[in-house]
Amino acid sequence: GEDVEQSLFLSVREGDSSVINCTYTDSSSTYLYWYKQEPGAGLQLLTYIFSNMDMKQDQRLTVLLNKKDKHLSLRIADTQTGDSAIYFCAETPGGYNKLIFGAGTRLAVHP
Amino acid sequence: KAGVTQTPRYLIKTRGQQVTLSCSPISGHRSVSWYQQTPGQGLQFLFEYFSETQRNKGNFPGRFSGRQFSNSRSEMNVSTLELGDSALYLCASSAGTSKDPLHFGNGTRLTVT
Repeated sequence: GEDVEQSLFLSVREGDSSVINCTYTDSSSTYLYWYKQEPGAGLQLLTYIFSNMDMKQDQRLTVLLNKKDKHLSLRIADTQTGDSAIYFCAETPGGYNKLIFGAGTRLAVHP
Repeated sequence: KAGVTQTPRYLIKTRGQQVTLSCSPISGHRSVSWYQQTPGQGLQFLFEYFSETQRNKGNFPGRFSGRQFSNSRSEMNVSTLELGDSALYLCASSAGTSKDPLHFGNGTRLTVT
């Protein structure tokens, strides 16, 4: 079946690294995504990784993909207060833009 | 390049009424998808349109419908509104292939009283 799981809450100190984890179920997903949602806003595309890649780095963001374990992680280096938001992981089992989202991880950054 | 634009931002309707939401995709994008976000069910896929044709559909009742125009703009309609339809409705656009990422708008917040 289609299911994406994430831990619900993460608290980090400003300047530390944050790691948000996600597990998915459908090995046919071609792409896996990370989106960010701030209060009252829509979803902001952060990054995405093709299923044949193990890692992708984009400035402060690093995505790691373990396809064998169906595990995806997002690392944010030097976390800032502006990174406080909800982060969603999504898989694409059916293609054609039908994303299956996790419940989201609320990241709280404190001084 | 302008992002995905959704109108209106907020709507308040009464049970039994119907509502139409509008979405203008990023210029050049031919695919528009709709998602419902609620605290209880999270983000759920409604349907996707590509070149005026519905290409994929989620598990929502027939009260939820949509269409896409020749300029790729899309509308979503919900008839006979129920209290449980209160949600943030998000529209996303992409170029249309499975390798093109989805870009979301800021959503329409619908409240049904």
